[in-house]
Amino acid sequence: KQEVTQIPAALSVPEGENLVLNCSFTDSAIYNLQWFRQDPGKGLTSLLLIQSSQREQTSGRLNASLDKSSGRSTLYIAASQPGDSATYLCAVSNLWGGATNKLIFGTGTLLAVQP
Amino acid sequence: SAVISQKPSRDICQRGTSLTIQCQVDSQVTMMFWYRQQPGQSLTLIATANQGSEATYESGFVIDKFPISRPNLTFSTLTVSNMSPEDSSIYLCSVEGLGNSHLNTEAFFGQGTRLTVV
Repeated sequence: KQEVTQIPAALSVPEGENLVLNCSFTDSAIYNLQWFRQDPGKGLTSLLLIQSSQREQTSGRLNASLDKSSGRSTLYIAASQPGDSATYLCAVSNLWGGATNKLIFGTGTLLAVQP
Repeated sequence: SAVISQKPSRDICQRGTSLTIQCQVDSQVTMMFWYRQQPGQSLTLIATANQGSEATYESGFVIDKFPISRPNLTFSTLTVSNMSPEDSSIYLCSVEGLGNSHLNTEAFFGQGTRLTVV
């Protein structure tokens, strides 16, 4: 059974700092990995999607890496801003099951960027 | 990306009643899913909404409690039946396969429905 873990559970940093969020998964037979952000009481916004054959993806100040063999992904946020404050969720989909993109979510990292 | 409209955005319901949540996508998609997010927790998949056939439910979720419809490639509903306070959660619709293509595997989410059962 796939399990996804995110550390740290919460993180508070001053504005401008670079930071790294971690995601680990127990079953390396993933189809893809996706990072989301969730603002309080809201839905999820897709940040980055990494296919299993890829090593990293970049979008603006965000960079996500994937090491499938070790079951790890990191989300790097450069020059953090107060507007980055949110919960960041990592989710993986496995090759099993009829729906290849049935996502298994981690418990999230609550990020607070202090002005 | 897709524009996903979920209605209602929030509701407060009496125990024993039912609520139907609607999910409308602005383009055809191959897959539609329903998730639950209980307070302080991450997301759990309830079921995959299949067009023109019965939904596929995950372990711990049953059709009598969470009936789902998907009449076409852009619309789905989830009903939370015979509600109890334990059903208080955020319910989220998710889609993949934009343009009705299985090659597009990125998942997109609606804004969620915050349900409180009293």
